[in-house]
Amino acid sequence: DIQMTQSPSSLSASVGDRVTITCQASQDITNCLNWYQQKPGKAPKLLIYDASNLETGVPSRFSGSGSGTDFTFTISSLQPEDIATYYCQQYDNLPLTFGGGTKVEI
Amino acid sequence: EVQLVESGGGLVQPGRSLRLSCAASGFTFDDYAMHWVRQGPGKGLEWVSGISWNSGNINYADSVKGRFTISRDNAKNSLYLQMNSLRAEDTALYYCAKLDSSGSLGYFDYWGQGTLVTVSS
Repeated sequence: DIQMTQSPSSLSASVGDRVTITCQASQDITNCLNWYQQKPGKAPKLLIYDASNLETGVPSRFSGSGSGTDFTFTISSLQPEDIATYYCQQYDNLPLTFGGGTKVEI
Repeated sequence: EVQLVESGGGLVQPGRSLRLSCAASGFTFDDYAMHWVRQGPGKGLEWVSGISWNSGNINYADSVKGRFTISRDNAKNSLYLQMNSLRAEDTALYYCAKLDSSGSLGYFDYWGQGTLVTVSS
């Protein structure tokens, strides 16, 4: 199975800060990496697919980059509504696997 | 508008069975693969099972293989998860999720709100 290691597990930042989350795959997954946002009590929501493509309707302050084994998710200017847990997910191979999540607080 | 509505969760004793359902609307159901993803209390996301558009390709996580069975009824726009021999560690919120493609791999572009399964005596 492909292991996804996400860091940090939690972070605290101020409104307007740039926030960066990393996700490392245990093997090369090319660009088969997605990012989701999960707000408390809600279902996950797709933000980024194929490592760097912004899902329709998602604010442009969210972005993703990387390929191979190392990926980065960035919020360019943190907003109060961005308080959530963020997960990476690989789809290079089954089983589909998720990172452990990063809880973002203000 | 795409909607995925799960049902069938509840409290069940260890060793017993439960069948989850997911009613889909707002898209051409038989064009897409569908999956189940679960989230234990206070935990992260865990992929459980997936089924291709025509049920020709079915996959399971090792943790549920041999105990859970995924199926779909394209005529009813519905996805199912038959869960047998339930264990305490199966306690979770179970999400139905639509894949962006007809196959096994991709991203989940829509999720239901989940149905809670609690396995306890």
